[in-house]
Order: sequence, then C-alpha cells, then structure tokens
Amino acid sequence: DAGVIQSPRHEVTEMGQEVTLRCKPISGHNSLFWYRQTMMRGLELLIYFNNNVPIDDSGMPEDRFSAKMPNASFSTLKIQPSEPRDSAVYFCASRDRGLGNEKLFFGSGTQLSVL
Amino acid sequence: QQQVKQSPQSLIVQKGGISIINCAYENTAFDYFPWYQQFPGKGPALLIAIRPDVSEKKEGRFTISFNKSAKQFSLHIMDSQPGDSATYFCAANAQGGSEKLVFGKGTKLTVNP
Repeated sequence: DAGVIQSPRHEVTEMGQEVTLRCKPISGHNSLFWYRQTMMRGLELLIYFNNNVPIDDSGMPEDRFSAKMPNASFSTLKIQPSEPRDSAVYFCASRDRGLGNEKLFFGSGTQLSVL
Repeated sequence: QQQVKQSPQSLIVQKGGISIINCAYENTAFDYFPWYQQFPGKGPALLIAIRPDVSEKKEGRFTISFNKSAKQFSLHIMDSQPGDSATYFCAANAQGGSEKLVFGKGTKLTVNP
C-alpha cells in the first residue's frame, strides 16, 4: 500500500491567490482528517469526514477555508484567498473506522508558504 | 485553551539512556491516549496508545505510564538510540476514538551517539 498521498509536497504562492491541497487516503479507509501544523499552535484538526460526509468542521479557521470529499479516494482543502498567516504544513490522515481500529495514518504533508 | 500539556519542549539523551516525556490533561472525559512519532519531512505515525483501564503499556523499548488520578501520562523510551531522534506528540480524545484527537505541542528528542 502506498499510504496516504498528498500533493503538492511544497506550495509557494502569493497573498490573495487560491490554493488547493489534495489528498488520496489509503484504499478502504472510511475516515479522513485534515490537520494543520505550526510551531505556535502545534497540530490542529481542521475538519474530518466519515464515509465522505463532513462530520465536524469546527476547526476550520474561517470562511476562506473549504474542504470537499467527492468520493472515497479523494479530498481537497482549498484556501481562497490565501494569506501569509496560512503558511503551515497541512497534513491529511485517514483511518479505518472498524471496531477498535484507532490508528491514524498521516501523509507526508504539504508545506504551504504564502508570501 | 490547551487541553493537553506536554513537557519538555526538547530533550537530549545519550545513547543507551532513558528518555521520558510527560503529558497532563484536564478533560476527565478523555479515554484514549496515543503517542505519535514524527521524523523531519514526514507525517506523525502512531507509536503506542493506552486506555485508562490499565496503568502501563509496554511495546518493546517504549512504555506508556498512566496516572488517572493525577491526569497525567508519560512515554518512556528505554535504551534510547540515535534512530529514536524525532519529535514525539502525546494526544487524547474522548469517546474512546481517534476522531478529534487533541495533540500536545510536541517534544523534540535528540539521542546522541
């Protein structure tokens, strides 16, 4: 298994531009999570999906952020317009919600720099 | 409000020594406590986890000690190796699951050869 795949690995953009981060979860996993990591705030949960349905988006910082999961094998996190304070590493993680299976599998992240 | 407080922020240990990282929580509804390990340029990976029905869990050189009354748990790495050099995160969640995990801010461990 290739694990959770995120793209791009690095993204540099200018303030005001739209940014789209992509994630392919592990095949067969039915929960998907988007996290943001910064030195100041650590790892923060932005939103998560169960069976492609958004369950909790209370961690999304503001309306500039949106996430979709059109099918079980693909999710996007979009920032429009981007701001310098959005600079962070964004992780996607997935898991199988089967009974007793709590392990989260993280991708390698997208390093976002907004200039 | 930080729900899981982790210390120390950084730790330097000699090869063969014991590394100890501590976490404290406030929410008494928390009932699942994992530790994640992160290497540079990679995402966190689950290392070991414990539930409050036991006070200790050991997997190889890694042990979680859990003190429910003090609302504290710690990670012990025995015989620390240079390959253990990484950032370690404690986490917690209620309802027995990994949904909405709350993470500590991490401890950067350096094991010198």
